[in-house]
Amino acid sequence: TQLLEQSPQFLSIQEGENLTVYCNSSSVFSSLQWYRQEPGEGPVLLVTVVTGGEVKKLKRLTFQFGDARKDSSLHITAAQPGDTGLYLCAGAGYDSGAGSYQLTFGKGTKLSVIP
Amino acid sequence: DADVTQTPRNRITKTGKRIMLECSQTKGHDRMYWYRQDPGLGLRLIYYSFDVKDINKGEISDGYSVSRQAQAKFSLSLESAIPNQTALYFCATSEMLGDSEQFFGPGTRLTVL
Repeated sequence: TQLLEQSPQFLSIQEGENLTVYCNSSSVFSSLQWYRQEPGEGPVLLVTVVTGGEVKKLKRLTFQFGDARKDSSLHITAAQPGDTGLYLCAGAGYDSGAGSYQLTFGKGTKLSVIP
Repeated sequence: DADVTQTPRNRITKTGKRIMLECSQTKGHDRMYWYRQDPGLGLRLIYYSFDVKDINKGEISDGYSVSRQAQAKFSLSLESAIPNQTALYFCATSEMLGDSEQFFGPGTRLTVL
């Protein structure tokens, strides 16, 4: 079973501050996805990173995939109240028992941005 | 209209009752999933289906069963609900590749008293 550890579990910051969320594993993933979930809704995909060392930017959000494809980070610059939500990482890896690729989700980082 | 819908959105029931949660999708995806979400535990996979004839157990299938009535419909049943099945339940769909983006429904909040 592939495990993904996310840290921190909770983060409360003031509007305008920067923050980084981490997603770590001892397993290698073929790709890694980041989702954001808002209260009362299901998770929505933000980005997928595929290549080791890859960096993707989505406005004020910067996503990086580790060189060894075992870890990833999400950096938010100048956080806004609209960034509040639960951030989930999910790694894709081949499950030999299932005979297919599967997504493994981290437990999430709950971010609160205070105006 | 939403691509993935779940009914009901909220349900309160008593221990021992049979409960069915329903999921419908208009995305035309073959793969469908049921997850439960608990505070601090993230999303855990209950069952998944590659197509109408293919049903697979996930990480936490005990106490649950599923039915894939059609490509677009995937239902989750709790034959005899117990309090520790109180959780937020999500249905999701994806294209055939296992590492494809998953599209989630809005969730069903289930409380078992």
